[in-house]
Amino acid sequence: IAGITQAPTSQILAAGRRMTLRCTQDMRHNAMYWYRQDLGLGLRLIHYSNTAGTTGKGEVPDGYSVSRANTDDFPLTLASAVPSQTSVYFCASSDSFRDRGHNEQFFGPGTRLTVL
Amino acid sequence: GENVEQHPSTLSVQEGDSAVIKCTYSDSASNYFPWYKQELGKRPQLIIDIRSNVGEKKDQRIAVTLNKTAKHFSLHITETQPEDSAVYFCAASRRGQLTFGSGTQLTVLP
Repeated sequence: IAGITQAPTSQILAAGRRMTLRCTQDMRHNAMYWYRQDLGLGLRLIHYSNTAGTTGKGEVPDGYSVSRANTDDFPLTLASAVPSQTSVYFCASSDSFRDRGHNEQFFGPGTRLTVL
Repeated sequence: GENVEQHPSTLSVQEGDSAVIKCTYSDSASNYFPWYKQELGKRPQLIIDIRSNVGEKKDQRIAVTLNKTAKHFSLHITETQPEDSAVYFCAASRRGQLTFGSGTQLTVLP
């Protein structure tokens, strides 16, 4: 693995189904983030994790949950998908402990999710 | 929470001209301001960033300026080229969490 990866690349999902988006990084970054990107709204933070074992809510957390069991993985779960969760989801990571958080976030390639 | 506004939403320039994108932020505690470029179907990638203790930063054809008093910052691209065509996002960060602007679609016309 080189950098940050996401799976699946795309998914069509029936409303009400449970779905987990996967994110893995091999850069040993302490911080990881999930964003959703909708046309005209930019990227909005869903959840974040500053270190393994801790998570926090972002701007739009409702309907989503995350876990951070180890440094490398940060899965995002939709417990019961709804059409308004149709979006492109980006995972990102950063070495936020270095230089007081003034650090580049590296983004994964994204997952395009359609909820019907 | 933080609110970041970005203008314009679309911008067309002739190749070789300059492009300027402006952002304002609301949280005076924000202290890190990155700019990301996103090509169609690709992931966002950092092109330049600036910290709150710096007023201006330049990297070849791109530069960013920050006015902390007015809470606004701008991206300047000189001598634009067709490969500069993309969506550009500004962001403001406090303690590592980014709030993004809504993006500017830049088109460089040959």
